[in-house]
Amino acid sequence: DVKVTQSSRYLVKRTGEKVFLECVQDMDHENMFWYRQDPGLGLRLIYFSYDVKMKEKGDIPEGYSVSREKKERFSLILESASTNQTSMYLCASRSTGSSYNEQFFGPGTRLTVL
Amino acid sequence: QKEVEQDPGPLSVPEGAIVSLNCTYSNSAFQYFMWYRQYSRKGPELLMYTYSSGNKEDGRFTAQVDKSSKYISLFIRDSQPSDSATYLCAMRTPGGTSYGKLTFGQGTILTVHP
Repeated sequence: DVKVTQSSRYLVKRTGEKVFLECVQDMDHENMFWYRQDPGLGLRLIYFSYDVKMKEKGDIPEGYSVSREKKERFSLILESASTNQTSMYLCASRSTGSSYNEQFFGPGTRLTVL
Repeated sequence: QKEVEQDPGPLSVPEGAIVSLNCTYSNSAFQYFMWYRQYSRKGPELLMYTYSSGNKEDGRFTAQVDKSSKYISLFIRDSQPSDSATYLCAMRTPGGTSYGKLTFGQGTILTVHP
């Protein structure tokens, strides 16, 4: 069964803290994505990775960085968390051979920055 | 102007109603069109996928794409309380290193009450 897991369901951090969000997929997918989801704004792409050590900026990369050292793991880093980064963060993965362009999502991490 | 516009609702209908969910878009290069369904506290899951223009039916669900009008729709017949969820349209262009990158609408919250 296809599975994308995220390290935490809920996370509370303080302004200025460095925050790591981890995502692991067990499907041997080449592509991985980080989104944030906010009411009225839908899913917005932060960063994606089309292969190990490869990354590209999405639509809203400011304030974030990513790391993909292994194929199954894609990390999102908030270097210095701010209150406007309070959001739901969703990780997804996809096979380049996917005929349906299907992205498989994790359950999300609800991050609150105080 | 957002590339993809979706009425966020919320939409509340009685059980058995026909539901129509819609998205408009501005990028004529979009070729792949998807609908994702997201239950509360879960990640989105692919519901329907359509390539280019036309209709696709799957049980109670019908996806329509009208590329000339840059308009896509999802119809749900005989709606059930279990259809209560957020529905997200998504689309992408073909090819390139950013293949697989999706652009999402804002999502429509649907509640089907018994």
